[in-house]
Amino acid sequence: GQNIDQPTEMTATEGAIVQINCTYQTSGFNGLFWYQQHAGEAPTFLSYNVLDGLEEKGRFSSFLSRSKGYSYLLLKELQMKDSASYLCAVRDGDYKLSFGAGTTVTVRA
Amino acid sequence: EAEVAQSPRYKITEKSQAVAFWCDPISGHATLYWYRQILGQGPELLVQFQDESVVDDSQLPKDRFSAERLKGVDSTLKIQPAELGDSAMYLCASTPGGQSSYNEQFFGPGTRLTVL
Repeated sequence: GQNIDQPTEMTATEGAIVQINCTYQTSGFNGLFWYQQHAGEAPTFLSYNVLDGLEEKGRFSSFLSRSKGYSYLLLKELQMKDSASYLCAVRDGDYKLSFGAGTTVTVRA
Repeated sequence: EAEVAQSPRYKITEKSQAVAFWCDPISGHATLYWYRQILGQGPELLVQFQDESVVDDSQLPKDRFSAERLKGVDSTLKIQPAELGDSAMYLCASTPGGQSSYNEQFFGPGTRLTVL
C-alpha cells in the first residue's frame, strides 16, 4: 500500500491563500491527484500531476516534486464555498489509486 | 451531463441483516470501482471491475461482502451479515477505460450506511 500524509485541518480567511501539503511514499508512481469533497457528498476531481512542476487551473494550482515525494494544492482568493475536504491521491506502479485521509479546510468570513 | 447513479442514498440496518447497494456508471464507462469511506478517512478501494470481470478485489472482505457486474454495466455490492464497523459511505466511481488510460474518476453521490 501507499503512505500518504496530509494535514488534518486548516483554517483561512475569505480572500486569502491556503496551501495544502501532501507527502507520499509509493512503489512506482503514475500520477498524483487532488479531489475536493464537500461534507456528505462525493469527491470531485480537481487536478492531476505526473511530471514535476506547477499545474494551474483558475484559482487552484497543484505542484509536484517526484524526487521529494511531495505535492501541494494551492487555493487562491478563497471563497466560502471552498470549505471542504481536500483529498490527495497517488497512483502507484500498478496503477492502483490510494487516497490520503483528507484535509478539512474551513474558510471564515 | 452524464452522472454515476447510486441507490439508495441512505440505508439504516441492524447488525446481522443483509444490505445491497446499486450503482449505474456513466454510459460507456468500462471500469467501475466500489470504495468505502469511513468518516474522517479517505476512500478505500473495495473492488474494481473491467467490464464484467473483477480486476482487483484484494481489499474486499470476502467473508461478508460480494460484488457483481453481470452484464458489464450496472453493479451491486452486498453485505451479509452487516456489522457495526461497516457503517460508512459507499462510493461508486467509473472511468471510460482501464487503469492506465484515465486521469479522472467520476464518483456517484454515495450510499450512507448506518448499522445499528
